[in-house]
Amino acid sequence: QVQLLQSGAEVKKPGSSVKVSCKTSGGTFSTYALSWVRQAPGQGLEWMGGIVPIFGTANYAQKFQDRVTITTDESTSTVYMELSSLKSEDTAMYYCARGPADFVVGPTAPFRYFDHWGQGTLVTVSS
Amino acid sequence: EIVLTQSPATLSLSPGERATLSCRASQSISNHLGWYQQKPGQAPRLLIYDASNRATGIPARFSGSGSGTDFTLTISSLEPEDFAVYYCQQRGNWPPGLTFGGGTKVEIK
Repeated sequence: QVQLLQSGAEVKKPGSSVKVSCKTSGGTFSTYALSWVRQAPGQGLEWMGGIVPIFGTANYAQKFQDRVTITTDESTSTVYMELSSLKSEDTAMYYCARGPADFVVGPTAPFRYFDHWGQGTLVTVSS
Repeated sequence: EIVLTQSPATLSLSPGERATLSCRASQSISNHLGWYQQKPGQAPRLLIYDASNRATGIPARFSGSGSGTDFTLTISSLEPEDFAVYYCQQRGNWPPGLTFGGGTKVEIK
């Protein structure tokens, strides 16, 4: 059974950083495309970036390129997302999501769709 | 960057009626389109991938069609549990990544 279990809610000050974890189970961790998607209150979905562990390099949405870092720990099948220089506008629910990797296209654009999601982690940025 | 435009923003229908949701891409994306359902307080759920393939466990009343720039999600006969927000999503080769449409809310009339 596939599970994506995320870390708990966070409250952060503007200018600080947050690191959210997502422990996965089911399947071979290194061969899946793992992504982070956020949703501000009452708003739509926004892809932040992702990684296929076997490829080793992360891809980031241009909007977040300078502030987000996605890493993995294959020993625990966990993916992490760290967002720095937090602003009030970063207040949102952050989801990890998993999907099949596109091995034909390869590491430049391996993301297709998400068939499993974590439960979400609420990050609140407030002074 | 490819932009996805969903219409209508809100669809007011009764149970048993047919729902037709549209997603238009700003340039051709072949069949690289997915559809998700999201209910309040829940994570999104994949319904359709590659424009027309139902995800595991998704009822047959959900169907997807289209290619290129115009896509449709059809719910043949709305069940009470189908009232939710629906998002389309495309994958891009360059710049790499995915983008979502703004969503269509299907509400009870």
